[in-house]
Amino acid sequence: QQQVKQSPQSLIVQKGGISIINCAYENTAFDYFPWYQQFPGKGPALLIAIRPDVSEKKEGRFTISFNKSAKQFSLHIMDSQPGDSATYFCAASFGNEKLTFGTGTRLTIIP
Amino acid sequence: DAGITQSPRHKVTETGTPVTLRCHQTENHRYMYWYRQDPGHGLRLIHYSYGVKDTDKGEVSDGYSVSRSKTEDFLLTLESATSSQTSVYFCAIRGTGGTEAFFGQGTRLTVV
Repeated sequence: QQQVKQSPQSLIVQKGGISIINCAYENTAFDYFPWYQQFPGKGPALLIAIRPDVSEKKEGRFTISFNKSAKQFSLHIMDSQPGDSATYFCAASFGNEKLTFGTGTRLTIIP
Repeated sequence: DAGITQSPRHKVTETGTPVTLRCHQTENHRYMYWYRQDPGHGLRLIHYSYGVKDTDKGEVSDGYSVSRSKTEDFLLTLESATSSQTSVYFCAIRGTGGTEAFFGQGTRLTVV
């Protein structure tokens, strides 16, 4: 049973464009929604996170949009750069419990 | 980098042999996790710990056991390794407050 569904599996975006990755969750008890970035050979690292009391959070070129009623959240990368090429994971948890991850999106930014 | 170290970083082992992976943290975080990463499956939780000697199963716990005798160390044991356990294993730590989890660099395990 997959509690966090992520799409697309892979994404190719031109440099300067907007990258959008979507996630949907099932458990309405989730109260923490992070996005992790992973480069080859490295462990995932926190990129940005949101809690359900706000609908949007922005940090630099990265924005999380959150739709509580639809149980969906998405990552937007503005002005995408080749250095953003990585695998991105959404995740969700409630309280101090375990993080449940999506299946990942491999993002490639082409010149 | 968060103070989390996994060892070994790479290991090749034969089917049927026991294998232990170690996760060591210097952050004194309460929560520790073992995930495996496989193409198409993302990160799946194997076992986790919420304190010394307090552990629980994740979604893919069959064939794995864990132990946590000290706050800083969380061991993952494959009792009898199988080829289906070939994967990259990540340890993660998390403090109280339900916030950021920090991941180790991973252990690439190959079972032949």
